Amino acid sequence: GAVVSQHPSRVICKSGTSVKIECRSLDFQATTMFWYRQFPKKSLMLMATSNEGSKATYEQGVEKDKFLINHASLTLSTLTVTSAHPEDSSFYICSALTGGTHSNQPQHFGDGTRLSIL
Amino acid sequence: GESVGLHLPTLSVQEGDNSIINCAYSNSASDYFIWYKQESGKGPQFIIDIRSNMDKRQGQRVTVLLNKTVKHLSLQIAATQPGDSAVYFCAETPAGKAGTALIFGKGTTLSVSS
Repeated sequence: GAVVSQHPSRVICKSGTSVKIECRSLDFQATTMFWYRQFPKKSLMLMATSNEGSKATYEQGVEKDKFLINHASLTLSTLTVTSAHPEDSSFYICSALTGGTHSNQPQHFGDGTRLSIL
Repeated sequence: GESVGLHLPTLSVQEGDNSIINCAYSNSASDYFIWYKQESGKGPQFIIDIRSNMDKRQGQRVTVLLNKTVKHLSLQIAATQPGDSAVYFCAETPAGKAGTALIFGKGTTLSVSS
């Protein structure tokens, strides 16, 4: 159980393109999902917390107009990288909580999206 | 500030050996800890968790030890196998922030040779 699916797994596109990444909880409902960014050989860095039916909460230094997050249902959150540039190239990973927002439960992660901007 | 770190960036062991991966955390108020395994090109995979009211928890071939006195967390892998080769991260949730994002440590790369 607790499967999180992320799509696409890899994207290569030209500079200036907007790219949408989907994160789905396949066998559970997730009121809260998280979006992380990971650079090579580095740890995961939280970008934003995605809450179903409300605005995402962004971490300091993350441009909300650059990284648009939509959490329209209990099983789907999307991250759109708008007008992507080479410096946006990275590994983007989402996670979801199976428990409520006040329970200590492990987050379950998708397999990430490798974004390469040419 | 709050941070979770690991003592060693890399660990190399022989197949069949026991592996111990260490993590030091700085926030004494943290009350929930998780170990994740990340294989190349994939997302982190949950291994085991422990709450601050425990000092040891065992899973299949894995044991997590928590020493709150020195703010130290460790992951022990018994009879390490080549398939255990990956990057291992410890993560924490500060007290009172259950259900919020995790704070990840820097990661230890485990290499298992046969």
